[in-house]
Amino acid sequence: DTGVSQDPRHKITKRGQNVTFRCDPISEHNRLYWYRQTLGQGPEFLTYFQNEAQLEKSRLLSDRFSAERPKGSFSTLEIQRTEQGDSAMYLCASSLVFEVTEAFFGQGTRLTVV
Amino acid sequence: TQLLEQSPQFLSIQEGENLTVYCNSSSVFSSLQWYRQEPGEGPVLLVTVVTGGEVKKLKRLTFQFGDARKDSSLHITAAQPGDTGLYLCAGPKLSGSARQLTFGSGTQLTVLP
Repeated sequence: DTGVSQDPRHKITKRGQNVTFRCDPISEHNRLYWYRQTLGQGPEFLTYFQNEAQLEKSRLLSDRFSAERPKGSFSTLEIQRTEQGDSAMYLCASSLVFEVTEAFFGQGTRLTVV
Repeated sequence: TQLLEQSPQFLSIQEGENLTVYCNSSSVFSSLQWYRQEPGEGPVLLVTVVTGGEVKKLKRLTFQFGDARKDSSLHITAAQPGDTGLYLCAGPKLSGSARQLTFGSGTQLTVLP
């Protein structure tokens, strides 16, 4: 199965620490998305890449958040100086460039800031 | 602002019952997707509807896209405990090309044995 892979699945960190998450998309997909999901809510868009270019960022993505996709392959999402409000499920998805956007999600990284 | 409103927010039914959940917006969407998400996992794509009035069936699940492409429904026949999960609808943000998906807040379905 060559679906979207995220690492780690779970991360517990102390407030103020930096954390980095990795996403490996489906190999032929050139679009990659990051979403954040809190309990009882649908996923909220954070940012999106087409190949290596970061084309769109949500206002939710404060300056403590940074995402990269070097060489248009895997992507990383870093959160600096974590806050308790950052606790959430971070989801990565990928898709092909088609008129209809169908995103395929990874299993997510559950972040808990204590 | 394009909002997708899902109803009901929670639904608990007995095995064998039928149910319908709804996804509504005041905006027109070029397509809508339905996903199912289980606890601790990412959403899994179930179906995409594109044409107004379109009906798609996936075993016991029937998806319909409204004629005006502003709403969609998911009907489950003879629900089973394995149908339990968070059902999410999503549509592309209308800003030029289809880029990011906007999600509703979901319907949490529990099917009791």
